[in-house]
Amino acid sequence: DAGVIQSPRHEVTEMGQEVTLRCKPISGHDYLFWYRQTMMRGLELLIYFNNNVPIDDSGMPEDRFSAKMPNASFSTLKIQPSEPRDSAVYFCASRTGTADNEKLFFGSGTQLSVL
Amino acid sequence: GNSVTQMEGPVTLSEEAFLTINCTYTATGYPSLFWYVQYPGEGLQLLLKATKADDKGSNKGFEATYRKETTSFHLEKGSVQVSDSAVYFCALSEDSGYALNFGKGTSLLVTP
Repeated sequence: DAGVIQSPRHEVTEMGQEVTLRCKPISGHDYLFWYRQTMMRGLELLIYFNNNVPIDDSGMPEDRFSAKMPNASFSTLKIQPSEPRDSAVYFCASRTGTADNEKLFFGSGTQLSVL
Repeated sequence: GNSVTQMEGPVTLSEEAFLTINCTYTATGYPSLFWYVQYPGEGLQLLLKATKADDKGSNKGFEATYRKETTSFHLEKGSVQVSDSAVYFCALSEDSGYALNFGKGTSLLVTP
């Protein structure tokens, strides 16, 4: 398996523009997580899905952020409008639902810079 | 709520030195505890884990013991290598949950 695939690797945009980050989880994994990493706040959980259904979105910072998972092999995280404080590395991760297997598999991340 | 506190970095060590990265946690239940490692330009990957008190997780020469009495899960390695330079994250998972709570990470630099 190719692992968790995120695109793009790098995104530079101007304040006010819409940004869409994409993720393809590992086939067969039924949990998908979006995390944001910054120097100040470390790694923060934004939202996670189980079987394509959002389970906990309490970490989504505000209404400008939205996430979808239309099918088992694809998820998006959208920021509209983007702001400079959204600059961070955004990670997608997936795992199986087996209770005794809590290993998360991370993608390589999307480095977002909002100017 | 559940949370993890790690020692602040960066930690700089010479090759073959002994490593300890401190991690303490706060949890309402009986969490599983993890150490993840992030190499430059990559996503995090699981290094080791422990699922109950007194368990010791180990991998690649790294060890950590789940100490319920001190709510700690310190990471240790007897002799670090340059290739161990990375950011190390302590994390916990509630016994009934599926999301991991991560610490802020500790950067380790090993010099030759």
